[in-house]
Amino acid sequence: DAMVIQNPRYQVTQFGKPVTLSCSQTLNHNVMYWYQQKSSQAPKLLFHYYDKDFNNEADTPDNFQSRRPNTSFCFLDIRSPGLGDAAMYLCATSRGWSGGTDTQYFGPGTRLTVL
Amino acid sequence: TQLLEQSPQFLSIQEGENLTVYCNSSSVFSSLQWYRQEPGEGPVLLVTVVTGGEVKKLKRLTFQFGDARKDSSLHITAAQPGDTGLYLCAGYNSGAGSYQLTFGKGTKLSVIP
Repeated sequence: DAMVIQNPRYQVTQFGKPVTLSCSQTLNHNVMYWYQQKSSQAPKLLFHYYDKDFNNEADTPDNFQSRRPNTSFCFLDIRSPGLGDAAMYLCATSRGWSGGTDTQYFGPGTRLTVL
Repeated sequence: TQLLEQSPQFLSIQEGENLTVYCNSSSVFSSLQWYRQEPGEGPVLLVTVVTGGEVKKLKRLTFQFGDARKDSSLHITAAQPGDTGLYLCAGYNSGAGSYQLTFGKGTKLSVIP
């Protein structure tokens, strides 16, 4: 009964070679998020979509892009991965309720290695 | 910007011991959530606390939300190796319309058999 699915679970790429990570959800949630998490640190929000409305965090590098072609799918594109981009990338979804009652559901993550 | 400070950052204890993890802020949050993340997996929600002073129990885990809704604690009784993981607190902005979480830096717990 997977609700938030991420593919692949492990991705190895070369320095500067573009890579795409994918996320899909079966929850029909309005919001999809992409987080970057480095070893034993808190997840860092990169951007999120509320439906088709894209919201970029101010400190997210231009190297990171995202696409959401439909409600169920969201992609993270890293145009020219650097060694510092090696991390776990987490996708999450939520209904988008305001007022502190929302819950985010996380996928299992994609572990990105940059050689 | 609302910040959440977690302490301790690392905790290594023997099986059977008790422990408390703290999550503090100078800002008011609509609610606070606690997640546990096991190595190689995404965070999993443990609990949401909404009302100031609220206490929730989940088996051996006790969660408390401060009266002023600025802080929270997680207490584990008789820790087991299965409790090992990264514990993250996260809060929702008290401002209207916000649905984005602010995460603390996490507490990495190791329970030694």
